[in-house]
Amino acid sequence: TQLLEQSPQFLSIQEGENLTVYCNSSSVFSSLQWYRQEPGEGPVLLVTVVTGGEVKKLKRLTFQFGDARKDSSLHITAAQPGDTGLYLCAGAHPSNYQLIWGAGTKLIIKP
Amino acid sequence: AAGVIQSPRHLIKEKRETATLKCYPIPRHDTVYWYQQGPGQDPQFLISFYEKMQSDKGSIPDRFSAQQFSDYHSELNMSSLELGDSALYFCASSSTATDTQYFGPGTRLTVL
Repeated sequence: TQLLEQSPQFLSIQEGENLTVYCNSSSVFSSLQWYRQEPGEGPVLLVTVVTGGEVKKLKRLTFQFGDARKDSSLHITAAQPGDTGLYLCAGAHPSNYQLIWGAGTKLIIKP
Repeated sequence: AAGVIQSPRHLIKEKRETATLKCYPIPRHDTVYWYQQGPGQDPQFLISFYEKMQSDKGSIPDRFSAQQFSDYHSELNMSSLELGDSALYFCASSSTATDTQYFGPGTRLTVL
């Protein structure tokens, strides 16, 4: 069974600090998506990374896919209270594209 | 940009009743996925369709069925509802050009 370990599961930091969320697996994914989900709402796609070593930037968010396509990270620079939320990584299984989900990171940015 | 549309957004049913959830994928997306999400859990894959044919099956109970229609919208039919079926149900769509799944806002089903 393919697993995706996401850490930390909970993070509370002050506004202006930097943070990194990690998703690691022993298995290869065809791609990896990062989502943000608000309570009672559907996951909203932030980014898809496909190529090993790929780096994508979305304003203050930097996403990286590992060279072997087994792991990914989300780095937020100068976090703001509006970044508060649940962040989920999901890797696409290479044969059937089913999503393997990380446990999620609940992020709280204090003003 | 158009997103995935789900209806209804909220549904309340009694035990043993039936429910039908609808999903309208992003235009030109040919693949639809259904997920169930309980409180504090990640989405659990139920079933998917590609070009109106079932493409994959996950942890979907036998009491549930789904189909994709010629206009690519999909319906999830749930019968003999149980209390444990109360959850958020998400639909996601993707195109064969990419495996990125875009999620709808979900339907919150409450079974009383």
